[in-house]
Amino acid sequence: SQQGEEDPQALSIQEGENATMNCSYKTSINNLQWYRQNSGRGLVHLILIRSNEREKHSGRLRVTLDTSKKSSSLLITASRAADTASYFCATDNQAGTALIFGKGTTLSVSS
Amino acid sequence: DAMVIQNPRYQVTQFGKPVTLSCSQTLNHNVMYWYQQKSSQAPKLLFHYYDKDFNNEADTPDNFQSRRPNTSFCFLDIRSPGLGDAAMYLCATSFLGDYGYTFGSGTRLTVV
Repeated sequence: SQQGEEDPQALSIQEGENATMNCSYKTSINNLQWYRQNSGRGLVHLILIRSNEREKHSGRLRVTLDTSKKSSSLLITASRAADTASYFCATDNQAGTALIFGKGTTLSVSS
Repeated sequence: DAMVIQNPRYQVTQFGKPVTLSCSQTLNHNVMYWYQQKSSQAPKLLFHYYDKDFNNEADTPDNFQSRRPNTSFCFLDIRSPGLGDAAMYLCATSFLGDYGYTFGSGTRLTVV
């Protein structure tokens, strides 16, 4: 069963702008992860944030986690055309043994 | 480079004809996962192996089976593919715990 829901479903921006994607989930988690998927390819792990963390950075990526609201956001600063992809949040299943993915946000960055 | 390799990249099979997709890893991860992803949808977990322990998702059709003969290899068998099984099949690996997954490039299955 689906755990995470991303919002918006699609996002179009210009190069240099920031992109923000949100993820909401239903049950308690150990960690939340964000992945990128280029068209027709496998997923690439971007960042993992644990349930006791509130914010994490990796290069141009900033992830926040609010466990009281069961939500997370992914911010990509100074977007580039190469950031065009689908972005998925994922949380662990009830047994804590595997990731369940949300439907994803499709980001399009135009130059 | 350590990686997850899926073969073939594209697979065309006939309706009802058994097909096997393969996944290999050089990361020595103890968990291997199979996901099914249909167009514009989220990857859906089919099953996973923790070492040799097989874990099937409750809603995975019986038509789908898996084998993990050793740490490095994992296979997805579709016994009688239907048109609805056309999808991208993604293999992923990780260590158990708070770790990210490493995905292969996927196998796109077409059923004719």
